[in-house]
Order: sequence, then structure tokens, then C-alpha cells
Amino acid sequence: QQQVKQSPQSLIVQKGGISIINCAYENTAFDYFPWYQQFPGKGPALLIAIRPDVSEKKEGRFTISFNKSAKQFSLHIMDSQPGDSATYFCAAASGGSYIPTFGRGTSLIVHP
Amino acid sequence: GAVVSQHPSRVICKSGTSVKIECRSLDFQATTMFWYRQFPKKSLMLMATSNEGSKATYEQGVEKDKFLINHASLTLSTLTVTSAHPEDSSFYICSARDNGGGGNTIYFGEGSWLTVV
Repeated sequence: QQQVKQSPQSLIVQKGGISIINCAYENTAFDYFPWYQQFPGKGPALLIAIRPDVSEKKEGRFTISFNKSAKQFSLHIMDSQPGDSATYFCAAASGGSYIPTFGRGTSLIVHP
Repeated sequence: GAVVSQHPSRVICKSGTSVKIECRSLDFQATTMFWYRQFPKKSLMLMATSNEGSKATYEQGVEKDKFLINHASLTLSTLTVTSAHPEDSSFYICSARDNGGGGNTIYFGEGSWLTVV
């Protein structure tokens, strides 16, 4: 059972455009939702994270939107740049353990 | 920011030998570390949770006798792949939980490429 569903699997965006990646979860006990960015051959790096007490969190060009009732959250990358080309993983964690359950990942390519 | 270091970043070993991968939290203490395996273009698969001073907790389907985990200090966890075979070739990633400041943030290492020939 896939607890965190991520879409799309791949995404191609032009430079300057907006990249949007969506995730949905089923376990209502999840209370921590991080996004990770992974470049080829490297480990994932924490990009931005949100907790369910807020509906939106913005850090620079990256914004998480969170819809608790729909059990969905999304990552928006504004003014996408070629350097943003990477694989993005959403995750969800709960119960104080904060062991993330990962989505399948989205391969983002930003064309110059 | 917090850094988790993995060593070696790449290792090639002969089939039947054992190889050890180290995971260190460089600027925080980590009572809990995690080991993942990642296949090309796939998501991370949690193998085990490493707890300082106690036995690791393995996920279903992961052979604990093949993937030995030791968490001897608050900054170091090791994964030993014993009697390695070509099918063990993969990208292994560790992460560590920083409990400081109540954040419970998890940071990942850079990963270790294991090739068994």
C-alpha cells in the first residue's frame, strides 16, 4: 500500500515557468511533510517542510501548499531554473518518530 | 547547517567479501539513524532504523544477518554488507535525526555507491 502518492512522475518546464508537484497521503496521523531534492548520484537534501497547522510555507522560490481536509500537499517552484533540474521527493512522517514515508519521486527537467 | 557524512562514497568489492559503510553526524548527536537503499530512478527504501546503544530495527524483508548495523556512538552508525553478491550492488544512503531544538529534522548523507563484481 502506497501511503504517499506523488505525481507527476516526470515534469518538463521551461526556464522561468512554475513547476508544480503534487502529493496525497492517507494516514491522518502524519504531521510532518518534508520535501527533498536529489541530484543524480547524491543523497536527498531537505528542501522545505511543513506541519499541518499552516496551509502554506514559502522559502525563496519554493512554496508548499497544504490542504489538510483533502490530505494533499504540493510543491511549487516559481521562476524555475535549469539548476532546479533534479528529482523531488515528497514525504510524510508522524508520531514523533519522524521516519519519512517517501513518495515515488518526480524527475524535473527545466529547459533553458 | 547540519551535515551527515558517509564514507566511502564509492566502493567496489569482490563477490563474497564484506564491505562497511560509515555514517557520521558531524555537528549534532543522533540517537537514531536510518539506512536506505535506492535503485536507479526509484524512491528510497528504508532498510533499518539504527538506535544508539541498542539493536537495529529492520524493515520487513531485509536480512539482518546480511546487512549488519552498528550504532556504537551518538555520531556514528555503520552498515556492513556481508558476503556481498552482485545483486547487492546499489546506492546506500543513511540519514540521521537531529533532536536538538525540538525540530526532529532528518538529514541525509551523500550516499555510497556499492558495486559488487
